[in-house]
Amino acid sequence: QTVVTQEPSFSVSPGGTVTLTCGLSSGSVSTSHYPSWYQQTPGQAPRTLIYSTNTRSSGVPDRFSGSTLGNKAALTITGAQADDESDYYCVLYVGSGIWVFGGGTKLTVL
Amino acid sequence: EVQLVESGGGLVQPGGSLRLSCAASGFTFSNYWMSWVRQAPGKGLEWVANIKQDGSEKYYVDSVKGRFTISRDNAKNSLYLQMNSLRVEDTAVYYCARPTSSGGWRFDPWGQGTLVTVSS
Repeated sequence: QTVVTQEPSFSVSPGGTVTLTCGLSSGSVSTSHYPSWYQQTPGQAPRTLIYSTNTRSSGVPDRFSGSTLGNKAALTITGAQADDESDYYCVLYVGSGIWVFGGGTKLTVL
Repeated sequence: EVQLVESGGGLVQPGGSLRLSCAASGFTFSNYWMSWVRQAPGKGLEWVANIKQDGSEKYYVDSVKGRFTISRDNAKNSLYLQMNSLRVEDTAVYYCARPTSSGGWRFDPWGQGTLVTVSS
């Protein structure tokens, strides 16, 4: 049973920088897992932010960036704004047609 | 505009059945894999199932195997999820999403979701 790990919660000050990570219960995240990131506010459908580790989806501000951090995929928000307060999810392809979402990170901007 | 619109959610008793639909527009539906993703109240996202363009390959999360069936009708630009033997833990908002590989795999776009409540 593959588990995708994310920090349950994070806090950042307005204007600050925060890095959220996405890992695997066993092994390292690689390009073959096709990591992507989604932002979700309450009552709304998820919005695609980042795919292929570091490609921003259309219309996503450049304060959002993706990378690899050690053995994990990472989402960095540089210059956080109040409306970045959301839940953030990553998803990984784990093979055999199966995708697994992380548990999500609740980001607070205060 | 690329759009996905789900329907068919509602209240059903444990052990009952429900069929969800997703109407696609704004793109060539038959060219894409399609997926269902769900979110239980107050919980995270969970990938449920995928179906290949021609329906020849289908994949499911373990918790729904043998109970749920994903299908599609390319002539009607529609995706379906037949849910049988429903359990309380299947209560969730069910999203239709399009896995897109152009430039790298991601789920985009998403529908607005349809709520399924399993309760007696």
